[in-house]
Amino acid sequence: DSGVTQTPKHLITATGQRVTLRCSPRSGDLSVYWYQQSLDQGLQFLIQYYNGEERAKGNILERFSAQQFPDLHSELNLSSLELGDSALYFCASSVDFSSYEQYFGPGTRLTVT
Amino acid sequence: DQQVKQNSPSLSVQEGRISILNCDYTNSMFDYFLWYKKYPAEGPTFLISISSIKDKNEDGRFTVFLNKSAKHLSLHIVPSQPGDSAVYFCAASFYGGSQGNLIFGKGTKLSVKP
Repeated sequence: DSGVTQTPKHLITATGQRVTLRCSPRSGDLSVYWYQQSLDQGLQFLIQYYNGEERAKGNILERFSAQQFPDLHSELNLSSLELGDSALYFCASSVDFSSYEQYFGPGTRLTVT
Repeated sequence: DQQVKQNSPSLSVQEGRISILNCDYTNSMFDYFLWYKKYPAEGPTFLISISSIKDKNEDGRFTVFLNKSAKHLSLHIVPSQPGDSAVYFCAASFYGGSQGNLIFGKGTKLSVKP
């Protein structure tokens, strides 16, 4: 158990809908990262937050947004969902904004039908 | 364009033998490399890392080798055990950057047969 929690574990929704994925980092970790793993793909970095502020952006679509709250939990919002958004979404946390060793949650499997 | 490549999608090894997982990278600015292990239905877990100022790092049965001139790293597992069966991801990052996001390869599925 990494100490990072993600909810929900599974999510099935229709195209055009909007969903919110939630992540609670390990106790004491200030940085949260979101990654997407599509079929046959490695983990693609989406976005990073550190202590409530956006720190880095990767291959995140404009339809996606995220935030980190004062209690350090984070939410990833995915809107106008398309079939191609079906993937595993992982949250990871680390102590600070440049820590290489990140601790991953179990992921949320999103299926868009 | 993939900056971190794991060209072998799968590898099968007999228990007790050595497992060698390979990873190539294209960006010479990478200076920190990590291996993560992933079991089904779980998130990746950190296994071992190496800084670009080193060419070898060892932790128990796991050793990572870095060849900067070839932009190649490898993970050796000796001896391999059935519990090592998992997907192994190679990842890279930039030192001292303002962010710590990792760039991952697509993974190699290791099967260790009893």
